[in-house]
Amino acid sequence: AIHLTQSPSSLSASVGDRVTITCRASQGISSALAWFQQKPGKAPRLLIYDASNLESGVPSRFSGSGSGTEFTLTISSLQPADFATYFCQQSSSYPVTFGQGTRVEIK
Amino acid sequence: EVQLVESGGTLAQPGGSLRLTCVGSGFAFSSFEMNWIRQVPGKGLEWIAYIDSGGDNIYYADSVRGRFAISRDNVKNSVYLQLGSLGDRDTALYFCARDLGFCSGGTCYPGALDVWGQGTLVTVSS
Repeated sequence: AIHLTQSPSSLSASVGDRVTITCRASQGISSALAWFQQKPGKAPRLLIYDASNLESGVPSRFSGSGSGTEFTLTISSLQPADFATYFCQQSSSYPVTFGQGTRVEIK
Repeated sequence: EVQLVESGGTLAQPGGSLRLTCVGSGFAFSSFEMNWIRQVPGKGLEWIAYIDSGGDNIYYADSVRGRFAISRDNVKNSVYLQLGSLGDRDTALYFCARDLGFCSGGTCYPGALDVWGQGTLVTVSS
């Protein structure tokens, strides 16, 4: 199975900050990576698919980049609604796997 | 509105069984692959099962293979997860999710999991 490692596991940031989260795959997955946002008690919400495509309805402050084994999710200007946990997920092959999550907290 | 709604989660006995149901609405359910994913509260996400649109291709995570079974009824717009030989490790919130992947030449490839249900909680305890 393809293993995904996210970093950092958590971070503290202020409203307006630029935030970057990294996801590394244990083997090359081309651009088959998605990013999700999850708030407590809610289902994950798809933000980015195929590494860099913004899901419909997701604010443009979210962006994704990368290919192969290294990927990033960037929030250009952190908003109050963005404090949540973020997961990456590889869609290259089954079994589908997820990163362990990055918790974004208010500084 | 595109929606998935899970049901069937409850308190179950170790070694017992349970069936979860996920009903889709607002989209052509029979055209989409579906997955079950679970999450221990406060922990990460674990994919556990996949079924293609016609029910012909099925994949499982090693952690549940031989104990769980996924199936679907496209007339009822429903996908099911039969859980068996339950253990403490199966306690989790179970989500169903729509998959934008595809199948080709007998092999299926995952896509974006673009629609999720709200989850149904399974607690395994004596």
